[in-house]
Amino acid sequence: NAGVTQTPKFQVLKTGQSMTLQCAQDMNHEYMSWYRQDPGMGLRLIHYSVGAGITDQGEVPNGYNVSRSTTEDFPLRLLSAAPSQTSVYFCASTVTQGTEKLFFGSGTQLSVL
Amino acid sequence: GDSVTQMEGPVTLSEEAFLTINCTYTATGYPSLFWYVQYPGEGLQLLLKATKADDKGSNKGFEATYRKETTSFHLEKGSVQVSDSAVYFCALGSYSSASKIIFGSGTRLSIRP
Repeated sequence: NAGVTQTPKFQVLKTGQSMTLQCAQDMNHEYMSWYRQDPGMGLRLIHYSVGAGITDQGEVPNGYNVSRSTTEDFPLRLLSAAPSQTSVYFCASTVTQGTEKLFFGSGTQLSVL
Repeated sequence: GDSVTQMEGPVTLSEEAFLTINCTYTATGYPSLFWYVQYPGEGLQLLLKATKADDKGSNKGFEATYRKETTSFHLEKGSVQVSDSAVYFCALGSYSSASKIIFGSGTRLSIRP
């Protein structure tokens, strides 16, 4: 009963490095999304996808890229990491957009030095 | 735009104390309202929800009533347990932003034995 799986759990990058945060779900959910969680600011939407081959920007998309080649996977790419991207990142999924119960992964703690 | 404001933490209570975490919202129309909970080291999970005015959501001894006149959705529990220690997020379903679900900043709750 895996649900939403995120890897890695922790990552430290140097400024300018690139990396990909992985997210996979095994519930056949059409809708997937990435949030970042910062102290005092709640969760903010970075990018989302309503199905394979379809992605769109959320509130804070700058500095991040996504793709959705399969229903199961929704990786988040940091092209050139900056200290402002130090945060906890959560992937979430649900059956379809507008369905209110989101299923979250356990998060990735990212530090950019 | 739509927004959620919840009381700042941390909140520290003794076991069996009464809990209230305040949440107010600003939104157009009649959004659905939610409380999500994040236990240590885990992602968020839906705790309860209410979809229209005067609805009461309840789960695991927690309750919240959708108050349209005061634009509030306060979380209450009559007798908290150590296992309730977590971060609680108030959220609303928004049709005016890409987020669709807008989260408050979270309230950390710690329960002393």
